[in-house]
Amino acid sequence: KQEVTQIPAALSVPEGENLVLNCSFTDSAIYNLQWFRQDPGKGLTSLLLIQSSQREQTSGRLNASLDKSSGRSTLYIAASQPGDSATYLCAVRTNRDDKIIFGKGTRLHILP
Amino acid sequence: DAMVIQNPRYQVTQFGKPVTLSCSQTLNHNVMYWYQQKSSQAPKLLFHYYDKDFNNEADTPDNFQSRRPNTSFCFLDIRSPGLGDAAMYLCATSRDYSATGASTDTQYFGPGTRLTVL
Repeated sequence: KQEVTQIPAALSVPEGENLVLNCSFTDSAIYNLQWFRQDPGKGLTSLLLIQSSQREQTSGRLNASLDKSSGRSTLYIAASQPGDSATYLCAVRTNRDDKIIFGKGTRLHILP
Repeated sequence: DAMVIQNPRYQVTQFGKPVTLSCSQTLNHNVMYWYQQKSSQAPKLLFHYYDKDFNNEADTPDNFQSRRPNTSFCFLDIRSPGLGDAAMYLCATSRDYSATGASTDTQYFGPGTRLTVL
């Protein structure tokens, strides 16, 4: 059974710093991995989607990497801003049973 | 412009009183999903539609039903809400979930409906 883990559960970082969020998954048989942002009480906003054949995707200050064989993905945020404060979730689509499995997220707080 | 719309944003119901949550999309996507998310938990997929084909997750309680009368709309019916059903309900869409499509798998989420059960 696929399990997705995000550590740490919460992270506080001073404004301007670069930071890395981690996502690990137990079964490497995936179609893709997606990173989302969720603001308190709101829905999810897709940030980046990486197909299983890709190693990374970039959008602005965000860079997501995927190492399928080791079951890991990272989301790199450059030059963090207070507006980046949110919960970041990763989700994998499994190719054994075509399910989307989410991690619980990392709650990020950027200190002004 | 909003692409995935959920109504209402906040819903209060009484224990055992049926409730319906609504989702509509302007993206003309084939796939629509319903997730349940409890506080500090990962979203949990309840079911999804691929066009008119309904796909129920094995552990989704019978208390939860869904309807998709057309491409644009999808409803979540909770027949007899219990206190444990209080959660945020998220609707999402994707154009397709072909393994070969680079962009077709991206899910677009609505703002969610927060359900309170009294």
